[in-house]
Order: sequence, then C-alpha cells, then structure tokens
Amino acid sequence: DQQVKQNSPSLSVQEGRISILNCDYTNSMFDYFLWYKKYPAEGPTFLISISSIKDKNEDGRFTVFLNKSAKHLSLHIVPSQPGDSAVYFCAASDGSSNTGKLIFGQGTTLQVKP
Amino acid sequence: NAGVMQNPRHLVRRRGQEARLRCSPMKGHSHVYWYRQLPEEGLKFMVYLQKENIIDESGMPKERFSAEFPKEGPSILRIQQVVRGDSAAYFCASSPRQGWNTGELFFGEGSRLTVL
Repeated sequence: DQQVKQNSPSLSVQEGRISILNCDYTNSMFDYFLWYKKYPAEGPTFLISISSIKDKNEDGRFTVFLNKSAKHLSLHIVPSQPGDSAVYFCAASDGSSNTGKLIFGQGTTLQVKP
Repeated sequence: NAGVMQNPRHLVRRRGQEARLRCSPMKGHSHVYWYRQLPEEGLKFMVYLQKENIIDESGMPKERFSAEFPKEGPSILRIQQVVRGDSAAYFCASSPRQGWNTGELFFGEGSRLTVL
C-alpha cells in the first residue's frame, strides 16, 4: 500500500530550464510534506517543506505547491543547475501520530544537462 | 562535523549471521529513527526510539530485527540470522524533539548491508 507515490522514476531537463517533480498521496491525515534530495552513497538531505494549511512555499530556486483537493504536490526548481542532479524524495507526515515518522515516495532521479 | 554518524558504512554478512548497525545522533538530539531503503525503492520507516524507549516500531519486521537506544552510547539496529532479502541501505535519522517540523530531521549517510 503505497501512500505516497512518485510516478516518474526519472526526469531530464536542460540547465537553466524549470524542473517539475510530482508527488501524489492517498492519506488525508497527512498534514506536513517534505522534499529530500539524495546523492549516491549519501543520506537524504532536507530541501523544503510545506504544511497542509498552505498551498505554496518558496525558498530561493525551490518552490513546493500543494493541492489538497487533488492530494498532489509538486516541487519546482528554477533555474535548474547541473548540481541539482540527484534523487528527489517526497515525504509526508501524519501529525496525529505525533511520532514524526515520514512516509516516503519511491523517488525521482533528476538529471540536469549542461 | 557533528552530524549523524553511522557505522559501518558497508557490511557484508553471510546468510545466518548477525548484523549490527550503529547510529550516533547529532549532538543534542535524543530522538532516533531507522529507515530501510531496498534497491529501487524509497525509504521505509522501521522504528522510532528515544533514550531507553522504543516509541514506535510499527515498521519493524516481527522476527529477527531489534533496535535499542541506550542511555549511553549509540542506537543499534540488530538483525539476527540475516537473509538475502535483508540486503539494503539502512539510514538513521535524528531530531531534537518529538513533533519536529521544518526539516529538523537529519539523516546519516547510511549503512549498506550485503548478504551473500
């Protein structure tokens, strides 16, 4: 039962263009969403998050959009840079459990071509 | 660098042996999470511990797996009688408190277990 889904295993974009990574979820109890970035042989590092009471959060080149009615969120990276090439994981948290555990999607591998 | 430290980074075991993975959380963090990443999959929650307490082990397999976070020393994830399906990357994460948010969960670099 995959509660958080990233349906695109990979994405390739040209440097300077926009990268859009998508994520869908099924559990309406999720109240906090995060994006993590992971390089090979390293642990995930936090990128950006959004609370379910918001529909947009922006941090520099990174913007996360949340559509609660569609149970969908997306990460926009603009402009994309070669150093952004990594695996991006969407994750969700159920605040009612108060344990802080995350449910991760399968990941999307982003390749930014120079 | 006072990040989350995991060791060993790589561990090779034969079927039936025991694997012990260690995690030292960031300084000042008393909450530890273990996640497992199987090949081509996302990270799956295994267990959440505070010092000397298991808070949530809903993601732990019922047999052969155990975790602890003693008052002194690192958190340990122990896998007894390993099988090939246990081959994965095991990530530890720590946070300063329960109910964290805004990216207060920090991951280590992972321990990669290979079972021959």
